[in-house]
Amino acid sequence: EVQLLESGGDLVRPGGSLRLSCAASGFRFKEFAMTWVRQAPGKGLEWISTLSGAGIGPYYADSVKGRFTTSRDNSAGTLFLQMRSLRADDTAVYYCAKNTARMRSSPFDHWGQGILVTVSS
Amino acid sequence: DIQMAQSPSSLSASIGDRVTITCQASEGVSTSLAWYQQKPGKAPKPLIFDTSSLQSGVPSRFSGSGSDTDFNLTISSLQSEDFGTYYCQQYHRYPLALGPGTKVDLK
Repeated sequence: EVQLLESGGDLVRPGGSLRLSCAASGFRFKEFAMTWVRQAPGKGLEWISTLSGAGIGPYYADSVKGRFTTSRDNSAGTLFLQMRSLRADDTAVYYCAKNTARMRSSPFDHWGQGILVTVSS
Repeated sequence: DIQMAQSPSSLSASIGDRVTITCQASEGVSTSLAWYQQKPGKAPKPLIFDTSSLQSGVPSRFSGSGSDTDFNLTISSLQSEDFGTYYCQQYHRYPLALGPGTKVDLK
């Protein structure tokens, strides 16, 4: 069974940093691209970043480019999102999702339960 | 960048109704279009990929159609468990993009 478990969410002050983790199990992690999607309170889903299983990319949304960094540890089956220069509008539930392909752009077939990041003074 | 639009933004329907949600891409995405269902406080659930292929376990009352820029998600006979918000997503090229969502609730 595929499982994705996010961790690292917290309350952080504007300008601060935070690192999210997504622990994956139940599939060959290195063979699939992985994605971060977020959802601000009461809003829709926003794609943030995708990193291929072969390490191609990451690709980023303009809203986080230059501030967020996606990485992965294939040996540990873990996806990371390093967030810097956080702003109030980064407040959201962050989901990790498994893509259906390793390299080409692809949809998501499994999602984590999400983790809340709150940016506030 | 490819932008996604959905209509309507919300709709009210009764059990047994046929429901159709429209998704439009700002430029052609071939058939690289997926649909997700989300319920309050829950993670999105994948429904359809490649425009019309059902994810494993998704009931056959769900169907998808379209190509290029115009797509539909149809629920042939709405059930109580189908209420929620539906999102389309293009994965034709980066940056990936999701639509703003269509909320389906009980009339």
